[in-house]
Amino acid sequence: DGGITQSPKYLFRKEGQNVTLSCEQNLNHDAMYWYRQDPGQGLRLIYYSQIVNDFQKGDIAEGYSVSREKKESFPLTVTSAQKNPTAFYLCASTDRGYDGYTFGSGTRLTVV
Amino acid sequence: GESVGLHLPTLSVQEGDNSIINCAYSNSASDYFIWYKQESGKGPQFIIDIRSNMDKRQGQRVTVLLNKTVKHLSLQIAATQPGDSAVYFCAENPMNSGNTPLVFGKGTRLSVIA
Repeated sequence: DGGITQSPKYLFRKEGQNVTLSCEQNLNHDAMYWYRQDPGQGLRLIYYSQIVNDFQKGDIAEGYSVSREKKESFPLTVTSAQKNPTAFYLCASTDRGYDGYTFGSGTRLTVV
Repeated sequence: GESVGLHLPTLSVQEGDNSIINCAYSNSASDYFIWYKQESGKGPQFIIDIRSNMDKRQGQRVTVLLNKTVKHLSLQIAATQPGDSAVYFCAENPMNSGNTPLVFGKGTRLSVIA
């Protein structure tokens, strides 16, 4: 079945450590997105990529980095510069915006 | 399960009643709108969408209404069931472009009372 897979489901980060969240899709979608979700807030855009080897910053890109070396993969690195990384992270993809997004099941990141 | 929103607006409805969830959007140029359902600890799921050249669209047990004059979107769920309990988000495409990131509302928590 086609879909979008995020891993791991739960991730724990120590202070000062970089961690990478995986997002893989087999839908042949061109565009991929990373959102952050905090309690009481909606989804906030971190980064997005409309084509391989290209990506743009979203509203809250500071402290995060991404790469898009393959069409099916869009990993997100949470760097030590991100001072409050504890959140639920969602990856999404779309072929065309008018079809809406397909979301992954999310990664819960916690700083310990 | 994970909580996706501790302080969201909450709508409580009796099982079998109809639910109406409202959303105000910000950009009068937005031409495409989507409703998503998010259950605790999961990613959002597409429910229904509507383009700006329509004012109503129906799906299975759900109806979306669009009022462009007041920039308001609503989701109606008929005969609400316990499985409908979730957080519901509206999203808009603000720039009339296929791959421009959607802008999401803060969400409304729907609680169904059995």
